[in-house]
Amino acid sequence: AQSVTQLDSHVSVSEGTPVLLRCNYSSSYSPSLFWYVQHPNKGLQLLLKYTSAATLVKGINGFEAEFKKSETSFHLTKPSAHMSDAAEYFCVVSEGTGFQKLVFGTGTRLLVSP
Amino acid sequence: DTAVSQTPKYLVTQMGNDKSIKCEQNLGHDTMYWYKQDSKKFLKIMFSYNNKELIINETVPNRFSPKSPDKAHLNLHINSLELGDSAVYFCASSQKGTAFNYGYTFGSGTRLTVV
Repeated sequence: AQSVTQLDSHVSVSEGTPVLLRCNYSSSYSPSLFWYVQHPNKGLQLLLKYTSAATLVKGINGFEAEFKKSETSFHLTKPSAHMSDAAEYFCVVSEGTGFQKLVFGTGTRLLVSP
Repeated sequence: DTAVSQTPKYLVTQMGNDKSIKCEQNLGHDTMYWYKQDSKKFLKIMFSYNNKELIINETVPNRFSPKSPDKAHLNLHINSLELGDSAVYFCASSQKGTAFNYGYTFGSGTRLTVV
């Protein structure tokens, strides 16, 4: 069964500094991987996805993620944090077998200080 | 607007009551889902329907009963509400065979508070 582990429950950065949110996955098959963002009291928005094409994936709002099969990782990065990036970020895995179920990580809260 | 819409957005009710949350999508998707987000923000799938047929039924108390009158609607009915049912419930949709590539489209959530 597939699963994801988000290594940090909270990450704090200063505005203008780089962001790194870590995610490791476990999957029996070639997975699809996603990052979703949830702003306070809001729904879930898809940031980016990896589906076995390019291993470096670009998403919205300047975020990127790199799929590394050898490390079973899919870390989310952004060169320069903005105050509006403060939110909860979820790493998500799906396997392409039958009806696909998205399995969520436990989330990482990104805090951005001025 | 094309979207997944849930009603109500907030629901406060007493223990023991029965309540329903409605979900509708106009994206033409054939698969819909209910997820529960607990107080620690953890999201766990509860149910999934494809073309009105139940395909995923995780370990959920039988007080929770999903109903799908057509492929654009998936409602969640909860009997005999308990304090532990307090959570945010998210509806989502996808097209069969494409969730792998595109993920889901989520509604904005229903915050249920049982007092």
